[in-house]
Order: sequence, then C-alpha cells, then structure tokens
Amino acid sequence: GAVVSQHPSRVICKSGTSVKIECRSLDFQATTMFWYRQFPKQSLMLMATSNEGSKATYEQGVEKDKFLINHASLTLSTLTVTSAHPEDSSFYICSASMPGGLKTQYFGPGTRLLVL
Amino acid sequence: QQPVQSPQAVILREGEDAVINCSSSKALYSVHWYRQKHGEAPVFLMILLKGGEQKGHEKISASFNEKKQQSSLYLTASQLSYSGTYFCGTPSASTGNQFYFGTGTSLTVIP
Repeated sequence: GAVVSQHPSRVICKSGTSVKIECRSLDFQATTMFWYRQFPKQSLMLMATSNEGSKATYEQGVEKDKFLINHASLTLSTLTVTSAHPEDSSFYICSASMPGGLKTQYFGPGTRLLVL
Repeated sequence: QQPVQSPQAVILREGEDAVINCSSSKALYSVHWYRQKHGEAPVFLMILLKGGEQKGHEKISASFNEKKQQSSLYLTASQLSYSGTYFCGTPSASTGNQFYFGTGTSLTVIP
C-alpha cells in the first residue's frame, strides 16, 4: 500500500513555457501533499504544503505565482511551473501523508525537469 | 528549520559499521529516516516517536534523544545495498503541518 504516482517522469521544455506535474495517491486518501525540489547532490527542499480544498502554504522564498499548486481532491495535487527558465531545471518530488499525526511521507518517483 | 546531518559523506567496506547523526536547533517530536538511491525518490526506513526510543530494521537501527534534539542512525555489517543518501526528516515543531529534511549523508559501501 501507500503508492504515490507522479507524471511525467521527465520533461524537457523551452524557456518561457509552463509545465504541469501531477501527483496522485493511488491507494489512500492523502490529507496533505508536499512538493519538494532537489538539486544535484543536495537535500530535498520543501517548496509548499497543500491540503485538499485549501490554498497551499508556500515556504519562504518560493514564488507562489510561479509555482502554482492545486489540490483538488484527496488523491490529486498538481504543480505548475509557469514561465519556466533554465534555473528552474531540477528534480521535483511530491509526497503524500495519510490522515493522522505521524506525517510519514510516501514519495512519488519524481519528475526531472530540464528547461532549455 | 532544516536539521543538520553528520557526516556529510562516508565510505565503508562491506561488513563495516556506520553512524549517521541528525541534529536540530528546534524541538523534535518525531524523527523519520529515509534512504535515497541516485535518481530515485526517497524510501521510508523508520520513524521514532518519542524521546529515547530505539527502533531496528534488520541491521539498521536508530535512536532518538529528545532532550538533545538529536537522532542517530546505526548501520551494522553494511551491505552493498546500503549505499545511497540518508536523510532524517521531521515535521515542523510549530505547525506540525510542514515537513523538513536534513542536509543528507552520502553513504558508499565498497566491496
């Protein structure tokens, strides 16, 4: 159990375009989903936390107008990178946690974004 | 908010032991440990919920010292499959809703 899918796994786009990444919890309802960004050889940096039906909570320094997060249902969250630039190239990973207090993270396989 | 891990990197020969430390400047109510292989998402190893708790998973165990705001991961008789980057993680002390990962420790096991 506790499977999270993420799509696409890899995307290459031109500078200035927008890219949407989907994160789905396949066999459980995720009250909270998290979006992380990871640069090579670095840790996972939390970008935002989203709860179903409410606005996402963004971490300091993360532009909410650039990284649009929608958490429309208990099993789906989307991250849209708007007007992507080469510096947005990174590994984006979502995770979901089950209802309850443990906050154990179940990760999607990640999306590698390359902006040319 | 980000916990600090030490060492940053370690190289072991098969069969050797290692300790990875995770230290936070803020109160820890729970500590999670994850392992990430190159190019893959992190995989959950274990969670420690209260001070002094120790948990084990085969030859990988961990301890949690709530007073010192620290946790340690112990890998004994390391295997090649243990190679990867290990992260501790913890929910935000203030809101409990966010989750922060430590700085990471790269572990390489060689034959």
